Amino acid sequence: QVQLQESGPGLVKPSETLSLTCTVSGGSVSSGSYYWSWIRQPPGKGLEWIGYIYYSGSTNYNPSLKSRVTISVDTSKNQFSLKLSSVTAADTAVYYCARAVEERNWGILTGWSFDYWGQGTLVTVSS
Amino acid sequence: QTVVTQEPSFSVSPGGTVTLTCGLSSGSVSTSYYPSWYQQTPGQAPRTLIYSTNTRSSGVPDRFSGSILGNKAALTITGAQADDESDYYCVLYMGSGMVFGGGTKLTVL
Repeated sequence: QVQLQESGPGLVKPSETLSLTCTVSGGSVSSGSYYWSWIRQPPGKGLEWIGYIYYSGSTNYNPSLKSRVTISVDTSKNQFSLKLSSVTAADTAVYYCARAVEERNWGILTGWSFDYWGQGTLVTVSS
Repeated sequence: QTVVTQEPSFSVSPGGTVTLTCGLSSGSVSTSYYPSWYQQTPGQAPRTLIYSTNTRSSGVPDRFSGSILGNKAALTITGAQADDESDYYCVLYMGSGMVFGGGTKLTVL
């Protein structure tokens, strides 16, 4: 059973950089067909996709956050990380890491979804 | 920017059937968007219910089903139970990334 666990500071000051790590167990971040993702949810609001990384290091980010986001992977530690720069109160949210799975049949894309989620960690941006 | 639309709220009686939808601000949802559905209860991480339009995730009861209805993706709950009261989110694959719908708060009463 794959498990994901977020870790990092729960409080970040405005204008600073939010940094979170997701540790994966029961599976490998080096496995093909999986995209290691970050998703966030402001208090009382809906879910927002932040971005994902493939084990090779290729990334894809939400255009609305792209200028401030960096996602990286450390295959030796079986972890991947999120950095969000120049944070404001609007970045206060529960941050989830998740595994996205790409399904292909004879090389043709047939599906894409999130199959495993971390429990989430609340990050508050405040001075 | 593409907006994925969901009903903000819905209610269903216990034992009843409800269909939640997932649309696009511009255009139609098709299977090529690989719509998936997630259930979230307060304080919990989302749980995957349906992926690739109509495939139930492991352990999901068969009272949950997914489909394309007209120009939207749909999640139908047949024989609703009290513990189905949750927030439901759809996600569409856009090629350039994933987009979440705003979520539907389902009340069972």
